[in-house]
Amino acid sequence: QKEVEQNSGPLSVPEGAIASLNCTYSDRGSQSFFWYRQYSGKSPELIMSIYSNGDKEDGRFTAQLNKASQYVSLLIRDSQPSDSATYLCAVNRVTDKLIFGTGTRLQVFP
Amino acid sequence: DGGITQSPKYLFRKEGQNVTLSCEQNLNHDAMYWYRQDPGQGLRLIYYSQIVNDFQKGDIAEGYSVSREKKESFPLTVTSAQKNPTAFYLCASSMLPQGPQETQYFGPGTRLLVL
Repeated sequence: QKEVEQNSGPLSVPEGAIASLNCTYSDRGSQSFFWYRQYSGKSPELIMSIYSNGDKEDGRFTAQLNKASQYVSLLIRDSQPSDSATYLCAVNRVTDKLIFGTGTRLQVFP
Repeated sequence: DGGITQSPKYLFRKEGQNVTLSCEQNLNHDAMYWYRQDPGQGLRLIYYSQIVNDFQKGDIAEGYSVSREKKESFPLTVTSAQKNPTAFYLCASSMLPQGPQETQYFGPGTRLLVL
């Protein structure tokens, strides 16, 4: 079992729709969870971080964390073609090292 | 302008050659990291440093070496022992060396290709 799992996609959504990206993790002791966006050929940029169970909203982005079920998700409302990218989930293990998933490719079509 | 810089953007390595990738940050961050990214795979940790003159191996350190002589700089050398070096190399930094909530920020990356 991979430590951090994401569906590779592509996830295709129409412009204006809600995109839902999911991530599961195996280490119950994980404490911090991050979503990065990576455009093709570019480096990852931080979108959201979440540390407590529940929802955290920032503009069009909402991160959701459920530690009991060991999953974290990212919702993108009013998706735009500029949101088309690969979204990386990263989880901080108790050893204080980030573990990255392989990413989900999102395609937003007009 | 604060940030993390990596150079060169593209690097070509010949058989048996050692090459060094540069990473500099002016964010006054204590911790610095090197990752490797291959197509279809997540980022894998090569080395990290939490303080000057100290560094630790990550998950795939074989064939690589680093130094941390200055807080701002964390160069990575890809040695000839690394048999499959073609990848996208990413340097990152975070403010504090400890703490599960420390966020890592990435430089623009260096793409290494083998001739």
